[in-house]
Parts: sequence; structure tokens; C-alpha cells
Amino acid sequence: ELKVEQNPLFLSMQEGKNYTIYCNYSTTSDRLYWYRQDPGKSLESLFVLLSNGAVKQEGRLMASLDTKARLSTLHITAAVHDLSATYFCAVDRGGGADGLTFGKGTHLIIQP
Amino acid sequence: DAGITQSPRHKVTETGTPVTLRCHQTENHRYMYWYRQDPGHGLRLIHYSYGVKDTDKGEVSDGYSVSRSKTEDFLLTLESATSSQTSVYFCAISESLSYEQYFGPGTRLTVT
Repeated sequence: ELKVEQNPLFLSMQEGKNYTIYCNYSTTSDRLYWYRQDPGKSLESLFVLLSNGAVKQEGRLMASLDTKARLSTLHITAAVHDLSATYFCAVDRGGGADGLTFGKGTHLIIQP
Repeated sequence: DAGITQSPRHKVTETGTPVTLRCHQTENHRYMYWYRQDPGHGLRLIHYSYGVKDTDKGEVSDGYSVSRSKTEDFLLTLESATSSQTSVYFCAISESLSYEQYFGPGTRLTVT
């Protein structure tokens, strides 16, 4: 059974600081996804990581994938308040079309 | 934004009544999914569809059934709603290039 663990589950940080969210998963997979969710809203796709060593960057966020270690990271550089949200990683259950298994999410609060 | 709508957006129903949630897409994507989101659990896959009349069970399928008679519509039915099915339900769609999933706005269901 595929398990996806995120840590930390809750993170309060100050603007301007850097931090990393970790996503570990239990079985082999080459596809990992990061999503953002604002309170009361739907999920917004941030990054799609499709191979070992994949690195994607968008603004102050950078995601990477190490399939050998079964680990993905979401790095936040010089955080700003607008990045406050819940961030989910999700791993392909197998075959691409079989749906995703999600981590429990990291609730990120960035304070001025 | 991907053309995905869900209806109803909010529903309150009584224990034991049947409930059907609808997901409608205008993207002509092949794959469709139903997830539920509960505090402390992230999102969990209920059922998914590979195409018209082609569906399969996810992680938490007990008490739910689905149907897909047209590419654009994926219905989720709770045959006899229970309080444990109080949740926010999200529909998602994807295609086979990256299997990136796009989420609908969600349906908040309360079973009293």
C-alpha cells in the first residue's frame, strides 16, 4: 500500500526566511505532484515532477524529486505572506491513470 | 482554469437518503476522479474512470458508487448517506501526457 508522508504538517515562519517541506513515499513511483490549497478553495497544481532528478521552479518555490530516496522537497525562498496556504504532495498510485495518493498537507503560515 | 464544474456546491441531507453529486468537464479529458477531503486526512481517492462506462475503486470506495455514461460527466452516488460521509468532495480530470490532475471547485456535503 502506497503511503505518503509530509513533514512538517504545520509551519509558521517569518517573511524573508527560507524553509523546506519534505514528502516521503513508500513505493516506487516516477510521478509526483505538488498542489496548493487556500482556505475554502480547490487545489491548484504547482509542480509536476516526472523523473528522477527533476527540478522545477516558479517564483519563490522550487520542487525536486529523488526517486531512489523516494523523497521530494518543496523549498521556499525568502517567504512572503502570499505564500501562506496548505501544500500537498501527491504520488501516482501506479499506471498514471489510477489516481493519486496524497500526503496530509503542510499548513504554512507566513507572518510579517 | 480547466473547465470543471461540480453540482451541487453545497448540500445538507439526512442519514439514509440517497445523494448524487455531479462532475462535468468541457476539456474532453479521458480520466476522471472523485476524492473526499477530511481534516487530518488530506485527500483520499473514492473512485476513478478510464473512460465511458469504465470505472474502478479507489482507497475509500465503500458506500459509494459511480457512473460515467458520457465523457463529460462523472456521477458519484451515496446510496444511503451516513454521517461519516460528511465531507468535501472534489472531482478531478487528467489526460495521459503527464497525468496532471485538475480539480473542480468541490461540493460540501453535510449528512445530519
